[in-house]
Amino acid sequence: AQRVTQPEKLLSVFKGAPVELKCNYSYSGSPELFWYVQYSRQRLQLLLRHISRESIKGFTADLNKGETSFHLKKPFAQEEDSAMYYCALRGVGNEKLTFGTGTRLTIIP
Amino acid sequence: SQTIHQWPATLVQPVGSPLSLECTVEGTSNPNLYWYRQAAGRGLQLLFYSVGIGQISSEVPQNLSASRPQDRQFILSSKKLLLSDSGFYLCAWERGGAYNEQFFGPGTRLTVL
Repeated sequence: AQRVTQPEKLLSVFKGAPVELKCNYSYSGSPELFWYVQYSRQRLQLLLRHISRESIKGFTADLNKGETSFHLKKPFAQEEDSAMYYCALRGVGNEKLTFGTGTRLTIIP
Repeated sequence: SQTIHQWPATLVQPVGSPLSLECTVEGTSNPNLYWYRQAAGRGLQLLFYSVGIGQISSEVPQNLSASRPQDRQFILSSKKLLLSDSGFYLCAWERGGAYNEQFFGPGTRLTVL
């Protein structure tokens, strides 16, 4: 079975401060991991995927297989980062994405 | 380019009434299609997915059903709505294969009274 845990439902961070959104997963094989984001009054959309190893809007996420984590990080928060963030996992060869419960990030001006 | 549509945007229905939510995709062929329910504090719950016409996989036993009558059409239905069916329903599509992105529709807000 595959499971994704996002322990923080709400996270508030001051503008300019570092941001870390936690994501832990449970899966016996090598997972595909994603972060999706939903800004106010916009559709849910992909932010980044671990295979790309790229920075999107200043965000990065590193897959740590030892700790089974895929935390999302940004060194300096901006007000436009306020949104709902979901971590998601897909098992190899699986058509299904399993989402976490989400973290609502609020950036305090 | 590809687009995904859902309708209606909002719906208020009495308990016991039928339901039909429609999702259509344009600009691609043979997509994988998904229905989710999004609830505060509970994340996105996968309800159904389909990898082809007439092929439906159900994730959670419940009062709902899904159908895929055409390649780019995905319908979520119920014969008799329950109060607990209230929620925000999202449709999504993706190309099959590894590491592919899912593209989400605008959603339908369903209120059962």
